[in-house]
Amino acid sequence: SQTIHQWPATLVQPVGSPLSLECTVEGTSNPNLYWYRQAAGRGLQLLFYSVGIGQISSEVPQNLSASRPQDRQFILSSKKLLLSDSGFYLCAWSVERRGDGYTFGSGTRLTVV
Amino acid sequence: SQQGEEDPQALSIQEGENATMNCSYKTSINNLQWYRQNSGRGLVHLILIRSNEREKHSGRLRVTLDTSKKSSSLLITASRAADTASYFCATARFYRLTFGEGTQLTVNP
Repeated sequence: SQTIHQWPATLVQPVGSPLSLECTVEGTSNPNLYWYRQAAGRGLQLLFYSVGIGQISSEVPQNLSASRPQDRQFILSSKKLLLSDSGFYLCAWSVERRGDGYTFGSGTRLTVV
Repeated sequence: SQQGEEDPQALSIQEGENATMNCSYKTSINNLQWYRQNSGRGLVHLILIRSNEREKHSGRLRVTLDTSKKSSSLLITASRAADTASYFCATARFYRLTFGEGTQLTVNP
């Protein structure tokens, strides 16, 4: 069966520090991968998506970047965190090209202090 | 940017009652999906309705889609306290899934 792993569950980082969040998928190949961010009490904002290794599309210009070094690995990074980067970060995957049936990870709650 | 808008923002009902949530969107879509999020947790996919479908059922869930009005509704019948959560509609267009702001449903025992 397909599973998605996202870690860590919570993270407290000082302003100006780097960030690396990792997401891996098991049980499928060539998935579409996504990073979303959710502010408290709000909907999800699409940050990045990837349809293949090394292919990254950015939705919102910001202090973050994404990479896909392997087929089932998606990494969200920042060189220097800002207070505004705080939020709940969710990784997701889908198989169908049209985005059917997304599966979400359990999320990382990031607090920048 | 958020494409979907849910209505109402918050809904409080008694156990056993039905809950109806509405979603409107702006552009053409491939499909529309509904998700549930328990407090502070990841999202769980509930149901997907394609743009050429008008109604779909899954257990106690009923979803309708009106592409001419660019709107959808989610009906949860015979609600339970465990249904308390935030519910989000999301529109799929090619590779992108865009979420609304959600409806917070509270089911009182």
